[in-house]
Amino acid sequence: DIQLTQSPSFLSASVGDRVTITCRASQGISSHLAWYQQKPGKAPKLLIYSASTLQTGVPSRFSDSGSGTEFTLTISSLQPEDFATYYCQQLNSHPITFGQGTRLEIK
Amino acid sequence: QVQLVESGGGVVQPGRSLRLSCAASGFTFSHYNMHWVRQTPGKGLEWVALIWYDGSNKYYVDSVKGRFTISRDNSKNTLDLQMNSLRAEDTAVYYCARGRGDSQRPQVYDYWGQGTLVTVSS
Repeated sequence: DIQLTQSPSFLSASVGDRVTITCRASQGISSHLAWYQQKPGKAPKLLIYSASTLQTGVPSRFSDSGSGTEFTLTISSLQPEDFATYYCQQLNSHPITFGQGTRLEIK
Repeated sequence: QVQLVESGGGVVQPGRSLRLSCAASGFTFSHYNMHWVRQTPGKGLEWVALIWYDGSNKYYVDSVKGRFTISRDNSKNTLDLQMNSLRAEDTAVYYCARGRGDSQRPQVYDYWGQGTLVTVSS
C-alpha cells in the first residue's frame, strides 16, 4: 500500500497568513492526489484533485502543486473558516490511502 | 441537492454483527460507484469498501475481507454494509461516499454522508 506522510501534523497560524502543508508519498503517484478539509463533527470535504482541479465552490485561495512523491497544499490568505484539519489522498492505486492529517489552528 | 444519509450505527459486542445503510438522493445513484470510508482518532481515514455503479464489482480493504459485505439496491437508491465478526478495531465513524471520476480507477469522494458511529465493545 502507498503510505502518505503529511507535515506538519499541527500548524498554528493567523488570519491573513499564507500556509503550506506537505504530503509525501512512499512511491511515485504522478499527479494522482486530492486534498480534503474536515471540521470537527463533520465529514471531510473535497477541495482539490487531479492536478489542481478545484471542487465547485472552493475558493481560489486554495491551490496545490507537486507530482511524483512530494505535494503541497497552499492557502494564500487564511480566512477564519479555513481553520480545520486537512488530509491528502492518493488516487494512483488501490487501496486508496490518506495522510494522517494536518490540524490548522488559530494562533 | 446531493444527500447521503447513513444509519445503523451503535454499540455492539465483539463477534456480533451490524448492518449500516446509506440512503442517497439528489443524483442518479445507479451512475456512481459508492464507497464506505471509516475514521478513527488513531488510524485516521481508511477506505473500507467499494461497489461499482452497477454492483458488478466489489472491493475491500484487507482487514475486513471475509467479514464485511458491501451491497446496493439501485431501485431504492440505497447502499449497505453488512459487518460480521466485529472486532474492537472496527470501532469508528463510518461514512458512505460517492466516487467521482473513471469508475475503473481510484476515485475522489465528492460527497459524503454525515457518518454513523460504530462502537465494538463488551
